[in-house]
Amino acid sequence: DAKTTQPNSMESNEEEPVHLPCNHSTISGTDYIHWYRQLPSQGPEYVIHGLTSNVNNRMASLAIAEDRKSSTLILHRATLRDAAVYYCILRDNTGTASKLTFGTGTRLQVTL
Amino acid sequence: KAGVTQTPRYLIKTRGQQVTLSCSPISGHRSVSWYQQTPGQGLQFLFEYFSETQRNKGNFPGRFSGRQFSNSRSEMNVSTLELGDSALYLCASSLFGQNTNYGYTFGSGTRLTVV
Repeated sequence: DAKTTQPNSMESNEEEPVHLPCNHSTISGTDYIHWYRQLPSQGPEYVIHGLTSNVNNRMASLAIAEDRKSSTLILHRATLRDAAVYYCILRDNTGTASKLTFGTGTRLQVTL
Repeated sequence: KAGVTQTPRYLIKTRGQQVTLSCSPISGHRSVSWYQQTPGQGLQFLFEYFSETQRNKGNFPGRFSGRQFSNSRSEMNVSTLELGDSALYLCASSLFGQNTNYGYTFGSGTRLTVV
């Protein structure tokens, strides 16, 4: 599986936007970029995914670089409930894409 | 609709025993995956079942096994427990699993402690 690189931790103030970066320089043309987050004492939660174009949903936005070698998860207004570990994952849409390969993720701290 | 349900939430077992964990997926979801989470290794894929067939397997010893029933509920079994098997075991369900346009929904996990 192609690997992703994320900062170990980031901090944000509440009500401010947060940009969580992810590098995936070895991404292949068939890899989708998925984001999950894990809140304390819970299982991971799906956030968003995309292939080439930027994507928006009620939780976040995903900005994908033109060469697809990096992406950024954007939380428009961070709240204390957004404090979690965020995982950037590549999923191949061919073959056996039935597993998620988690890295170490980015631990986001949100302060008042 | 109900989420992914894992039982039990907490379990303490003795080294050498075996354990069975249960997972009920979201209604209509046919793919069930299992993951192990430890502080040292993070989240690691164990196996995935779809329509009662194991479709993918991670790099774990044969002591780890699973199965899926016709109603999509799944169980995983760990035999001859070792101290290193202490972990949070997470189950995730998805409509189809392999289709990358579908995300996974995770349960809250079963915390297994081996003493």
